[in-house]
Amino acid sequence: KQEVTQIPAALSVPEGENLVLNCSFTDSAIYNLQWFRQDPGKGLTSLLLIQSSQREQTSGRLNASLDKSSGRSTLYIAASQPGDSATYLCAVNNNAGNMLTFGGGTRLMVKP
Amino acid sequence: NAGVMQNPRHLVRRRGQEARLRCSPMKGHSHVYWYRQLPEEGLKFMVYLQKENIIDESGMPKERFSAEFPKEGPSILRIQQVVRGDSAAYFCASSPGLAGGDEQFFGPGTRLTVL
Repeated sequence: KQEVTQIPAALSVPEGENLVLNCSFTDSAIYNLQWFRQDPGKGLTSLLLIQSSQREQTSGRLNASLDKSSGRSTLYIAASQPGDSATYLCAVNNNAGNMLTFGGGTRLMVKP
Repeated sequence: NAGVMQNPRHLVRRRGQEARLRCSPMKGHSHVYWYRQLPEEGLKFMVYLQKENIIDESGMPKERFSAEFPKEGPSILRIQQVVRGDSAAYFCASSPGLAGGDEQFFGPGTRLTVL
C-alpha cells in the first residue's frame, strides 16, 4: 500500500527566502507525482506534474524534482512571497490504479 | 474552458438526512474521481468513475455511500442517512482519460456539515 509523507508539516520563513519542501513515498511504481497548493477553505490548485520518466519540472519560481528509485520528490520555491502562504500537497499516482495518494501537506507561512 | 464545477459549495444536513453532491468535469474529460478531506486529516481517495461505469470504489465506505456518473449530466456522490462523522470537504477531480495516470484537475469542493 502506497504511503506518502511530507516533511516538514509546517514551515514559517521570512519573505525572500528560498525554501525546499520534501515528499517521500514507499512504492516507486508510480505513473506520476503532482504538487498542489491549497488555500484555507479552498480547493486544490495543481502546481506541477512530473511523469515517472522525468527528473524535474519548472514553473516560474517553482521547481519540482523526482527521484523515483529512492521514493523522493522536492518542491523548491525561490524568493518566497507572502502570497505563497498556503498548504502544499504532494500526491502520487500509482501504476496499479488511477487514484492519487496524498501526503499530509506542509503548511507554509511566509512573513512580510 | 471552465474548470471542474461542484455544487453546492456548502451543504448542511441533519443526522439521518440524505446528501447529494454534484460534480461536472472539465469539458472533454471522461474520468471523475471523488476524494474526502476530514477535519485535520489528509485527502483520501473514495471512488473513480468513467461514464456509466464505476472503475474503483475501494476507498468508499460500503454502507450509505454511492456514486454514479451517468451518460448525461454530472457525477453524483450520494450519502444516505448522514452522521456527524460524514462532515468533511468532498472534492471532485477529472482527467481526460488519455493515458494511465493523466493529470487530475480539482474542483473547489463541497463542504458538508452534519448537525
